[in-house]
Amino acid sequence: DTEVTQTPKHLVMGMTNKKSLKCEQHMGHRAMYWYKQKAKKPPELMFVYSYEKLSINESVPSRFSPECPNSSLLNLHLHALQPEDSALYLCASSPGTGGGVLGWNEQFFGPGTRLTVL
Amino acid sequence: GNSVTQMEGPVTLSEEAFLTINCTYTATGYPSLFWYVQYPGEGLQLLLKATKADDKGSNKGFEATYRKETTSFHLEKGSVQVSDSAVYFCALSDNKAAGNKLTFGGGTRVLVKP
Repeated sequence: DTEVTQTPKHLVMGMTNKKSLKCEQHMGHRAMYWYKQKAKKPPELMFVYSYEKLSINESVPSRFSPECPNSSLLNLHLHALQPEDSALYLCASSPGTGGGVLGWNEQFFGPGTRLTVL
Repeated sequence: GNSVTQMEGPVTLSEEAFLTINCTYTATGYPSLFWYVQYPGEGLQLLLKATKADDKGSNKGFEATYRKETTSFHLEKGSVQVSDSAVYFCALSDNKAAGNKLTFGGGTRVLVKP
């Protein structure tokens, strides 16, 4: 299995809702990532988990809360979002971190969740 | 800090034409370089990669060579097809143990007409 899957594919939520995005990989990768991508822009890194521990938080507002229940799963909990948070949210995984020559840094992306905040 | 600059699009060309997308980077240390492709409505797919100077990455007819002396990683394809229409992102990874932060270029939209 060489896929990263994300659910749901589309999500519409109000500013007072609480929702979660899910990401799963079965490639045995030990690093997982959340990115946010606005239209016609490159992805922006939000969080990195390495061996199930949060290793990078790119100063993301607390209304976004990541969780890594196990090495295959990554969640992004959403609460009290703003309309400007509407975007494509991408999950990615890599075999590990560091070690470019070893291929540990190759990131494989999921198809994304398109989020609309009303 | 690290940065990636790639040519702005859109690039419009005819089928079977030659495609070049320029990419230059600024980085400390020894980054890895990547090209990702994003088809409409989809996530990013890794197209090719190079991990050290003079490496050539290739896939699906696309090629790019890691040139440390010119800090470049230009993408080329000799004969494009309509199915190559997509947005192409050049990126570098800092290869740090804490997390392989990818720095992306702004993306280049390519439209291939029949």
